[in-house]
Amino acid sequence: SQQGEEDPQALSIQEGENATMNCSYKTSINNLQWYRQNSGRGLVHLILIRSNEREKHSGRLRVTLDTSKKSSSLLITASRAADTASYFCATGASGGSYIPTFGRGTSLIVHP
Amino acid sequence: EAQVTQNPRYLITVTGKKLTVTCSQNMNHEYMSWYRQDPGLGLRQIYYSMNVEVTDKGDVPEGYKVSRKEKRNFPLILESPSPNQTSLYFCASSADSPQETQYFGPGTRLLVL
Repeated sequence: SQQGEEDPQALSIQEGENATMNCSYKTSINNLQWYRQNSGRGLVHLILIRSNEREKHSGRLRVTLDTSKKSSSLLITASRAADTASYFCATGASGGSYIPTFGRGTSLIVHP
Repeated sequence: EAQVTQNPRYLITVTGKKLTVTCSQNMNHEYMSWYRQDPGLGLRQIYYSMNVEVTDKGDVPEGYKVSRKEKRNFPLILESPSPNQTSLYFCASSADSPQETQYFGPGTRLLVL
């Protein structure tokens, strides 16, 4: 079953603007990850945030996690055309499952 | 260079003709997984392996087999492919569980006629 759901499905912005995408999930988690996928290629890990963390930064990326609302957000600041890609959240459910659940993704287009 | 490789990258086959997609990682990772990606459905895990000779089903295992005879290799076998297995397949590896950071291969695009 689909656990993480990204919102919006598609996002189009100009270079230099910030991009925010959200992920909502349904059950308790151990961690939540964000991945990037360039068209038809393999996913690249961006950042992992654990259930006891509220915010993490990595370069121009900022991830927040609100376990009470079962949601996370990924902020990309000062977007570049090279950030054009699909972004997926993946949740690791608590309870011993080894199956991470990926959302359907947000397609981001950054116009030069 | 740390990487996960898959072969072939593209494959067109016919219904019922057995095929194998190979996957290899050079990071000495314990865990390896196979996913399929379909439009509108995101990535779904097919099988995963925790170590040599230890495998388990993911969310969508029907019609697939795997084996893990060596730590670095994790082939995906379709004994009798059907058109509904047309998809983009990814192999991934991780040092810890699949819930932790995974490293993905470049993908194999499969078309079953």
